[in-house]
Amino acid sequence: QQQVKQSPQSLIVQKGGISIINCAYENTAFDYFPWYQQFPGKGPALLIAIRPDVSEKKEGRFTISFNKSAKQFSLHIMDSQPGDSATYFCAARGTGNQFYFGTGTSLTVIP
Amino acid sequence: GAVVSQHPSRVICKSGTSVKIECRSLDFQATTMFWYRQFPKQSLMLMATSNEGSKATYEQGVEKDKFLINHASLTLSTLTVTSAHPEDSSFYICSASTGNGYEQYFGPGTRLTVT
Repeated sequence: QQQVKQSPQSLIVQKGGISIINCAYENTAFDYFPWYQQFPGKGPALLIAIRPDVSEKKEGRFTISFNKSAKQFSLHIMDSQPGDSATYFCAARGTGNQFYFGTGTSLTVIP
Repeated sequence: GAVVSQHPSRVICKSGTSVKIECRSLDFQATTMFWYRQFPKQSLMLMATSNEGSKATYEQGVEKDKFLINHASLTLSTLTVTSAHPEDSSFYICSASTGNGYEQYFGPGTRLTVT
């Protein structure tokens, strides 16, 4: 059973455009929601994270929007660049520090 | 940011042999370390969670006698794939969690190929 559902599976965006990736969860006990960026052959790198008492967090071109009542959160990448082309995973932290990952979104930013 | 290293980055071994992968937190003490397996173009599959000085907790379906995990110190965890078979070929990634458990930092991964 997928604890965190992520969409879309793949995304193609023009350079300078906005990339939006969505995630949804069911378990209200989740208390931390990070996004990870992974390049081929590398481990995931923490990009940005949010806690459920905050509705939005922005770091540079990356913004997380969090809707607690809808149990959804999304990653927005503003002014997308070819270097942002990677796979993005959302995650949620549950009990015992266990993290549940989404299925990933392959982002391609075309020049 | 916190740095996690893995060694080796790539390993090729013959079927039936054992392989050890090391995971180290370089600049922080990791109370909890995690081991994941990732197939091409797929998400991370949690294999086990380990806390320093105690036995690892394995996820359902993961053979604990095949994937031996040792968390000997607050900066080192090892995964040993015993009697490896071609179906064990995969990308293995470790991560380490800081004291508060919120941040989880990943290693660069180890590509295991069993011939």
